[in-house]
Amino acid sequence: SAVISQKPSRDICQRGTSLTIQCQVDSQVTMMFWYRQQPGQSLTLIATANQGSEATYESGFVIDKFPISRPNLTFSTLTVSNMSPEDSSIYLCSVGPTGIRGYTFGSGTRLTVV
Amino acid sequence: EDQVTQSPEALRLQEGESSSLNCSYTVSGLRGLFWYRQDPGKGPEFLFTLYSAGEEKEKERLKATLTKKESFLHITAPKPEDSATYLCAASSRMHYQLIWGAGTKLIIKP
Repeated sequence: SAVISQKPSRDICQRGTSLTIQCQVDSQVTMMFWYRQQPGQSLTLIATANQGSEATYESGFVIDKFPISRPNLTFSTLTVSNMSPEDSSIYLCSVGPTGIRGYTFGSGTRLTVV
Repeated sequence: EDQVTQSPEALRLQEGESSSLNCSYTVSGLRGLFWYRQDPGKGPEFLFTLYSAGEEKEKERLKATLTKKESFLHITAPKPEDSATYLCAASSRMHYQLIWGAGTKLIIKP
């Protein structure tokens, strides 16, 4: 199954600034998914990123706030723009379905906005 | 509308006390039902994928089963290290995005 390296693991940011989160996969994958997980809650899908096309955003998420890049089949970035304290969450990238293990997740980025 | 519901929200057990977690789903054309374990501050860790009613999978103290309407994660003689949040998710034949339950927080007391 794929192995994902996600960076940074955590950050504390000032409101109004932007943070870019990177995910590197050790194999080529078609679909990558970006999630947000607020404290004590389950995962909420932000967008699906396919290489060579615009990301598809879920209801409530917009490209201006969460721009995504997918330059090749092993890498993607998610930017959280113009941050406010409400953006404080864990952000996760995922790939799949791959093999019998389904979907694999990065270790997450814990973002705190102050 | 596709939906996944997990119960209970939280479960406290004594070490060695077996129990089950429930995941009910209404998904048009189930492609797969997934169980994950998540420890605080970490990404979900894959446990099982189930594809058809009647299927069962086991790993150490965990056993996952699937019917046409729900899945159970049975935990036998749990240990404190089994404490985590257990997440259930389903994918349909219509799209590849996962539909997530809210999770069950499992606490095993020594």
